[in-house]
Amino acid sequence: ETGVTQTPRHLVMGMTNKKSLKCEQHLGHNAMYWYKQSAKKPLELMFVYNFKEQTENNSVPSRFSPECPNSSHLFLHLHTLQPEDSALYLCASSQAQGREQFFGPGTRLTVL
Amino acid sequence: GENVEQHPSTLSVQEGDSAVIKCTYSDSASNYFPWYKQELGKRPQLIIDIRSNVGEKKDQRIAVTLNKTAKHFSLHITETQPEDSAVYFCAASITGGYNKLIFGAGTRLAVHP
Repeated sequence: ETGVTQTPRHLVMGMTNKKSLKCEQHLGHNAMYWYKQSAKKPLELMFVYNFKEQTENNSVPSRFSPECPNSSHLFLHLHTLQPEDSALYLCASSQAQGREQFFGPGTRLTVL
Repeated sequence: GENVEQHPSTLSVQEGDSAVIKCTYSDSASNYFPWYKQELGKRPQLIIDIRSNVGEKKDQRIAVTLNKTAKHFSLHITETQPEDSAVYFCAASITGGYNKLIFGAGTRLAVHP
């Protein structure tokens, strides 16, 4: 799959588990994003990275920890999540911030 | 900061009819306005965008209009087909710097055969 890929596509975890979501973009973009999409708040921006530097943390709880080792990879480390964190987590990338974004297929997360 | 409002939240039309989705934005400096379509279980995908130096842009059955004075922009879909059924998101941003896309809440469009 080209463009923006995400793994895993589905994840079920308990509240005491630690897991990580991975995103990879093959578009040569410089900005990467994490979004949470749930029925209550569609497309809720979580984090923005520009040239590996975090430029936005949209008041996200510390149980979500992002990591951007290079411009092509983005991780979201999860620990001690709550059931209300169950949602679709979308990664996106763009050539620069404020430009058109390309989304990955998302990870459907269920927290038991 | 920028705020984008989108209406209606749901829209139901008969196949062949036109559909219009409207968005308003608050920051007059915004200069880029994309529209995304998200089919059930799939990722949002860009379908059309417009920049502030243009008032209208068309791509086959889809068109977007922009009124900078009133700070609103609209998506028009003509001759709707069942495969147009999806959630549509508008967004606005100021290109460059550390600005980001601000998305509307989405419109669920249902096209009935």
